Parts: sequence; structure tokens; C-alpha cells
Amino acid sequence: EIVMTQSPATLSVSPGERATLSCRASQSVSSNLAWYQQKPGQAPRLLIYGASTRATGIPARFSGSGSGTEFTLTISSLQSEDFAIYYCQQYNNWPRFGQGTKVEIK
Amino acid sequence: EVQLVESGGGVVQPGRSLRLSCAASGFTFDDYAMHWVRQSPGKGLEWVSGISWNSGSIGYADSVKGRFTISRDNAKNSLYLQMNSLRAEDTALYYCAKDPLVLGRVDGKNWFDPWGQGTLVTVSS
Repeated sequence: EIVMTQSPATLSVSPGERATLSCRASQSVSSNLAWYQQKPGQAPRLLIYGASTRATGIPARFSGSGSGTEFTLTISSLQSEDFAIYYCQQYNNWPRFGQGTKVEIK
Repeated sequence: EVQLVESGGGVVQPGRSLRLSCAASGFTFDDYAMHWVRQSPGKGLEWVSGISWNSGSIGYADSVKGRFTISRDNAKNSLYLQMNSLRAEDTALYYCAKDPLVLGRVDGKNWFDPWGQGTLVTVSS
């Protein structure tokens, strides 16, 4: 079983600033890594797949990087609508999600 | 626009059964694998089960194997989850989610886009 660990649990950021979220896999998942955004009362929305490919309609301020066991989601300049919980998910060996990082307003 | 609408959730006693449904529209349903993913405060997000476009490949999480059965009716653009022998730990919001790949298999290399709004299942005496 691959365990996904996200850090930090909560990230306090001011609007316009850069946010960097981390996701670590307990063993290599190659580039089979997706990121999702979830706002209160809504379903998760796919942001990134293949570790670095933005999903359709996702703004360019969202970028993903990494491979193997270490991954990063970067939001280059936080907008008000970006404050949410972000989850990573590996799909190298049966889908597993991280516990999430909450991005809150500083 | 892709729409996924879940139904069938509710409050059920431990050991009883429940059947969830997901009505799909806005895409060619029988070209895509479909999945159920659940979310609970205690366990977070957990993939439950998936079924390929032609029902030829099916997968289950270990936590539900032998108790849950996924199925689909391509003529009705519908996905189902039959949940038997329900336990308190099955309490969660259950989402229906589409596999992004055309004619994809359920082979453990699956991600999800988009998701429905979910239906709440509460298992309690």
C-alpha cells in the first residue's frame, strides 16, 4: 500500500503571494500523480495529472512538478478563489489520496 | 457539459444494504470507465470501486471487497453501487467520478475528472 503524505497541513498565505504545497509518496509512483482542489460544500476538482499537466480550464498560475516520491503544487499568485483544500492522489498502484493541505487567508 | 448526479444515500442500520445510483449526461457514457470515491472526516478521500466502459475490468478497495458490487447500464447512462453488510466505517459522502481516458480500463492507474456532488450514506443503529 502506497501512503501519500502532504505538508503542511495548513498553509497561511496572503492574496497575491506564492503558495507551495508538498506531497510525498512512500514509494515511487513515477509521474502518476494528480492534484485536486476542493472548496467547502463542493466535490474535488482535478487540477493536475501526470504530475505536471494542467487539466482543461485550469489557470496557468497552477503548476505541478516532481516525479518518483516527491511532488509539488505551486500556485504562483493566490487569488481569492484559490483558498481551498488541495489533495494529491497517486495512480501508479491503485488510487490513494493524501490527507490534504488547507490553504487559508493570512 | 458533463453532469454526474448521485442518488440513493440515506441512513441505514449496520448489516443492512443500500444501492447508490449515478445518472450521467453530457458525454458518451459507454466510452468511459466510471468510479465511486468516498469521503469521510475520519478517513479522508478513498477510492471505492471502478468499472471499465464495457464492464470488462472491475476493481474494488480491500475495505469493501466482497461486500460492495459495482455495475453499469450503458443503455441508461447509469452507474450503480450495491452496498451490502454495511458497517459504521462505511459512513461517508459517496461521489461518482468519470475516468478521463477514452475506453480506459480499471487497472489501478486511474484518476478522476469530473466528480458528481455526492450522496451521503450514514450507517448507524
